Amino acid sequence: GNSVTQMEGPVTLSEEAFLTINCTYTATGYPSLFWYVQYPGEGLQLLLKATKADDKGSNKGFEATYRKETTSFHLEKGSVQVSDSAVYFCALTSGGGNKLTFGTGTQLKVEL
Amino acid sequence: EAGVAQSPRYKIIEKRQSVAFWCNPISGHATLYWYQQILGQGPKLLIQFQNNGVVDDSQLPKDRFSAERLKGVDSTLKIQPAKLEDSAVYLCASSLVGTGFVSTEAFFGQGTRLTVV
Repeated sequence: GNSVTQMEGPVTLSEEAFLTINCTYTATGYPSLFWYVQYPGEGLQLLLKATKADDKGSNKGFEATYRKETTSFHLEKGSVQVSDSAVYFCALTSGGGNKLTFGTGTQLKVEL
Repeated sequence: EAGVAQSPRYKIIEKRQSVAFWCNPISGHATLYWYQQILGQGPKLLIQFQNNGVVDDSQLPKDRFSAERLKGVDSTLKIQPAKLEDSAVYLCASSLVGTGFVSTEAFFGQGTRLTVV
């Protein structure tokens, strides 16, 4: 079956630090990969996505590259802000359906 | 454009009671999903509708959970009777229908936080 593994949190960083949140996956076929973000008190929002190998998704300074050879989709940002504090979920869909399989989420705390 | 609406936002019930959640998807979205998010875990799909038909309910505990989408728009999710382990956030999401192997973006509501005591 499909599964997503992401690094445990919480991750605590100082403002302007470099961020990496690791994500690896197991899936049949050719999955599409996603990062969702959940800000405090809000619903899940799509942050970025990639639908085929070597694609790079990017949004709001965040990036992730679909690496088929390592089955990974690590989230990076060069300089985090306090407003980036949230829970980040890696997810995938596979087989042509829209059913999302999520990782357990990684809480990010950014301090001044 | 209005987002996915869910109600109530919070609900506290005693075990063995029943509870219902309501979801109104984004206008024009044929596909509707209910996810369960237990504290410390990622969301897990309970049921997926396309229009008013069920596409996937393989992880829905059918002895106590039921869901319907009678007119292909709004949906309700019911739990009867509730157990302590049903305490979770119940998320509704909607999307356009994907074509071929291209997934379409799912938009999530704010969720209903259920506490069973």
